[in-house]
Amino acid sequence: DIQMTQSPSSLSASVGDRVTMTCQASQDIGTDLNWYQQKVGKAPKLLVYDAANLEPGVPSRFRGRGSGTDFTLTINNVQLEDFATYYCQQFDRFPVTFGQGTKLDIK
Amino acid sequence: QVQLVQSGIEVKKPGASVRVSCKASGYNFSSYGISWLRQAPGQGFEWMGWISVVRGEGNIAEMFQGRVTLTRETSTRTAYMDLGSLKSDDTAVYFCARDPHGCTNAQCHSSFDHWGQGSLVTVSS
Repeated sequence: DIQMTQSPSSLSASVGDRVTMTCQASQDIGTDLNWYQQKVGKAPKLLVYDAANLEPGVPSRFRGRGSGTDFTLTINNVQLEDFATYYCQQFDRFPVTFGQGTKLDIK
Repeated sequence: QVQLVQSGIEVKKPGASVRVSCKASGYNFSSYGISWLRQAPGQGFEWMGWISVVRGEGNIAEMFQGRVTLTRETSTRTAYMDLGSLKSDDTAVYFCARDPHGCTNAQCHSSFDHWGQGSLVTVSS
């Protein structure tokens, strides 16, 4: 199975900051990567698909980049509603696998 | 709007089986597949498998093969996940998610654009 490693595991930020989190795949997955946001007690929400495409309705302050094995999710001008846990997911090879998440909390 | 509504909390003993349901509304049920995933307390996600609603067949992740069965009933727009031989480490929140393309050994293009609210399954003696 393809291993997905996210870093850091947690991240503190203030409203208005820019933050970047990373996701590394154990092998080349092209751009077969999605990002999800999960708030406590809720189901995840798809933010970015195919590494760099924003899902409709997702604010433009979110940006996904990368290809191959290294990917980033950047949030510009962090808002209060962005404090959550973020997960990457690969769909290049069976089975689907996820990273362990990056928790973004308030500094 | 697209909605996936799951069945409620389950408490089971080790060795038992559980069925979780996922009722879809707001879209053409047969045009999309359904994936099932789980999240143990404080953990990340494990993808369990995918079913093509139109064909009624799909794929199960290797770690769940032999214990998981995925089915669907198109007349009621409901998908089901059956998990047998329950163990304490099956305690988790189980989610269904709309997955247009699914993931099989031949090809994989799973994206989960709508999710159910989750169903807590607790396995305890």
